[in-house]
This record gives sequence, C-alpha cells and structure tokens, in this order.
Amino acid sequence: EAGVTQFPSHSVIEKGQTVTLRCDPISGHDNLYWYRRVMGKEIKFLLHFVKESKQDESGMPNNRFLAERTGGTYSTLKVQPAELEDSGVYFCASSPLLAGGPNEQFFGPGTRLTVL
Amino acid sequence: KQEVTQIPAALSVPEGENLVLNCSFTDSAIYNLQWFRQDPGKGLTSLLLIQSSQREQTSGRLNASLDKSSGRSTLYIAASQPGDSATYLCAVRDFNKFYFGSGTKLNVKP
Repeated sequence: EAGVTQFPSHSVIEKGQTVTLRCDPISGHDNLYWYRRVMGKEIKFLLHFVKESKQDESGMPNNRFLAERTGGTYSTLKVQPAELEDSGVYFCASSPLLAGGPNEQFFGPGTRLTVL
Repeated sequence: KQEVTQIPAALSVPEGENLVLNCSFTDSAIYNLQWFRQDPGKGLTSLLLIQSSQREQTSGRLNASLDKSSGRSTLYIAASQPGDSATYLCAVRDFNKFYFGSGTKLNVKP
C-alpha cells in the first residue's frame, strides 16, 4: 500500500511568486491534515479536511494560504504571494475515518519550500 | 493552549547505552500521544502510538509510557545503535490535530 505522497519534494521560489503544493493521502483516508515546520520551530498544525470539507483551519497563518481538496482525494496548498517567512517544510498527513475517535496519522515526506 | 516540551534538545551517547527521552504537555485532555522519528531530509516515521487510556506501548527496543494526569511521556530506547541516530518528536493529539514538541536530536556514537 502506497503511503502519503507529496509533490514537489523541494521548491525554491522568489518572494511574491505563487507556489502550489500537492498531497496525495493514503487511498481511502478521509482525514487529511497539513502541517508545517519553519526554521527553528516545532511542527505546527495548519488545517484539517474531512473528505472535501474543511473541518478546522485554525492554524492557517493568513489569507495568502489557500487549501483545497476537491473531490475529497488529493489536496493542494497554494501560497500566493509567497513571503520569506513562508520558508519551511510542509507536511501532509492522513488517517482513516473510523468510529471511536482519533487514530494514527500517517505522514508524508514533506515539501521543503524556500522563498528567496 | 497545549504546549509540548521535549528534554533534552540534544543527546549524544555511546552505542549500547539505554536512554530515556522526555516529553511533557500542559493540557492533560488528550486523545493520544505519538512518538515519531525524523531522519535528516526525510518525513516522519511513526514509532509508537499510545491512546489516552493506555499507560505504555512497546515495539522492539522501544518502550513509551504515558502519565496523562501529570502530563508526561517517556520514550525508552534499549541498547542504542548508531542507526537510532535521528530526531525524535513527541506529539499529543486533541480531537483534530497534533501539537508537536521541538524534538530531541539523538546521536549514537559507534
């Protein structure tokens, strides 16, 4: 079974440009999460999808970030326009929607974003 | 607001030693706690998941304990090996999301 995949693995862009990150969750996982780790800080939650609906987007830093999950399969996270402080590693995670509450999240390898 | 602290930030030990990594959290109302390993430039590998009703979990040379009332978890690594060198992350889960600690960077010297 394939794990969570993310594309691209690295992205280097200039300030003001737009970047779109993609996450493909494990097949059948309805829960999809985005996290990020900026330099020197801990990994922080950005948002959570259940299928195509945003369940919690309390961690999104500002309106330059837009996440979508059309069709409830893969998700994209767009940063427009990118700023220097957006540099970091963006992780995606998924988990199945099971009765009984929260369960294990499976993480992707991350996308390393560098904004120059 | 949940805050997760990991001590020590870095640890260097000779091969073969048993060691303990510590994790503390401020809000005991958690659903579970998960320990991860991260290798340089790689993603997160799940090591152990402890549900809030459990006290410990074991996998091979790893044992994780959870004391929810005191807001603490420990990861015990027995007979450490150079291949254990990595950053170890503790994450506590409320209903929706994880709160991560900053990690303990472990170096096991041959």
